[in-house]
Amino acid sequence: EVQLVESGGGLVQPGRSLKLSCAASGFTFSNYYMAWVRQAPKKGLEWVATISTSGSRTYYPDSVKGRFTISRDNAKSSLYLQMNSLKSEDTATYYCARGPNWFAYWGQGTLVTVSS
Amino acid sequence: DIQMTQSPASLSASLGETVTIECRASEDIYNGLAWYQQKPGKSPQLLIYNANSLHTGVPSRFSGSGSGTQYSLKINSLQSEDVASYFCQQYYNYPYTFGAGTKLELK
Repeated sequence: EVQLVESGGGLVQPGRSLKLSCAASGFTFSNYYMAWVRQAPKKGLEWVATISTSGSRTYYPDSVKGRFTISRDNAKSSLYLQMNSLKSEDTATYYCARGPNWFAYWGQGTLVTVSS
Repeated sequence: DIQMTQSPASLSASLGETVTIECRASEDIYNGLAWYQQKPGKSPQLLIYNANSLHTGVPSRFSGSGSGTQYSLKINSLQSEDVASYFCQQYYNYPYTFGAGTKLELK
């Protein structure tokens, strides 16, 4: 059974940093592109980042480019999202999802709240 | 960026009814489209990919169609468990973009 379990969310002040993690199991992690998708409270879905199987290629929307970094450790079947210079508009539930294009599996999400 | 315009924003339907939700892309996305269902407090679940391919385990009352810039999700014989929000997503080009969502309720 495919499982994706996010962790690392919490309350953080504007301008500070936070690192999210996603532990994957039930499939060969190294064979799949992985992604982060977020959802602000009572809002729609926003794609945040995608990483290739080896980690050599990463993709971001303009809203987070230069502030967020997606990475992976295939030996640990883990995905990460380093978030720097956080803004109030980054407040959302962050989901880890299996790619490459459509997202067939999602984690339960971890809530990030950016507030002073 | 490719804009996804989803309609309607909300929808009320009766049990057993057929429901259609539409998504229009701002340019041709060559069937690079997925549909997701999200129930309150839960993660999104994939229903359809490549515009018309049913994801494993999804009931056959769900179907997708369309081409070019116009796509639709149809739910036949609406069941109570179909009450949820539905989102389309294009993956033809980065940045991947989602529609704003359709909230489906029972009449």
